[in-house]
Amino acid sequence: EDQVTQSPEALRLQEGESSSLNCSYTVSGLRGLFWYRQDPGKGPEFLFTLYSAGEEKEKERLKATLTKKESFLHITAPKPEDSATYLCAVHAFPGNQFYFGTGTSLTVIP
Amino acid sequence: NAGVTQTPKFRVLKTGQSMTLLCAQDMNHEYMYWYRQDPGMGLRLIHYSVGEGTTAKGEVPDGYNVSRLKKQNFLLGLESAAPSQTSVYFCASISMRTGAPGGYTFGSGTRLTVV
Repeated sequence: EDQVTQSPEALRLQEGESSSLNCSYTVSGLRGLFWYRQDPGKGPEFLFTLYSAGEEKEKERLKATLTKKESFLHITAPKPEDSATYLCAVHAFPGNQFYFGTGTSLTVIP
Repeated sequence: NAGVTQTPKFRVLKTGQSMTLLCAQDMNHEYMYWYRQDPGMGLRLIHYSVGEGTTAKGEVPDGYNVSRLKKQNFLLGLESAAPSQTSVYFCASISMRTGAPGGYTFGSGTRLTVV
């Protein structure tokens, strides 16, 4: 069964304290792995797509990496405005569905 | 602005009442989805559509019906609301023609409370 697991469920960081969020997946065939950011009361907002092991994408203080079994979202020197829930989703063969993890709630304290 | 628009944004229903949630997208996307999001459960797929006139069941379809009469609209209906359907509902769309590099575009959500 296709499955996506995110850890930790919640993470509190001091401003400037770097860390990583994990997304592990088990799917029959990976078409793409997606990271989203969700702010309270809003819909998820697209961050990155990764397609193959070894691929990396960066945007400001965020960097996403992908292996054959997991993806990491690295946050370097976070700021309070990075506080949000980060969702991971997998698009797997052969279907048209995306499987979501339950997210990591990140709080960055000034 | 181009994107996915959901109406209404908030709604309170009494048990047994019916309602329809509307999702409209102006990006010419072929695929549209309805999810519900509950604390600790993540996003769960209710129904989806791969094109006008076609729909399919997702992970949690019971108690919901959908229709896609026009490409840009995807309606989610609750025939007889139950307290277990209290949730935040998100609509999303995507174009698979380009290999979906940007993933879903989500609407801003509908917060539904059934009392």
